[in-house]
Amino acid sequence: ETGVTQTPRHLVMGMTNKKSLKCEQHLGHNAMYWYKQSAKKPLELMFVYNFKEQTENNSVPSRFSPECPNSSHLFLHLHTLQPEDSALYLCASSHRGLAGVPPSYNEQFFGPGTRLTVL
Amino acid sequence: GESVGLHLPTLSVQEGDNSIINCAYSNSASDYFIWYKQESGKGPQFIIDIRSNMDKRQGQRVTVLLNKTVKHLSLQIAATQPGDSAVYFCAEAVRDNYGQNFVFGPGTRLSVLP
Repeated sequence: ETGVTQTPRHLVMGMTNKKSLKCEQHLGHNAMYWYKQSAKKPLELMFVYNFKEQTENNSVPSRFSPECPNSSHLFLHLHTLQPEDSALYLCASSHRGLAGVPPSYNEQFFGPGTRLTVL
Repeated sequence: GESVGLHLPTLSVQEGDNSIINCAYSNSASDYFIWYKQESGKGPQFIIDIRSNMDKRQGQRVTVLLNKTVKHLSLQIAATQPGDSAVYFCAEAVRDNYGQNFVFGPGTRLSVLP
């Protein structure tokens, strides 16, 4: 176990459904990430939260809405998804520095992922 | 026609042999690299990392080599075991004000033959 948990592990939803993915880290990290891993592309960074603030949004469609209520929890709210959104959604966490502080070298710890299928 | 999926390079090795997995990175300014292993049904797991001020780093049964001149990274696994079967990703750090994000390679599937 990496200390990062994700629920649910599997999710099947219709295009009109609303669902949420949950991630929790027990490592005391201050940054959390959502990645998309599909069969057609390498691992893609979607969102980054640093000290609960979103610091990166990699041109992700608005039908994906992240929420980070605290440094240990991260959600990905899903609404009116498309079949091409079917993928493995991975959450990760790491230590991250403060703006202006010399760069850090910190690995990211991944959860097991949620396998999402959009019908 | 439409591709049915990402074509992962595949490396097949005999159990007990050494494996070498290669990765090319794109940013000459990248100063930190990680190799991850992803087994079926699991998320990527850290194997070993290396900073750009080094050209070699060794772990338990694994060695990472960094050639900055040609922007190439390799992972060597000694005495490959069935449990090493997985997809291996290299990741290069992209700096921002807070630390780094990672750009991941497409991955290489390692199959260990009995």
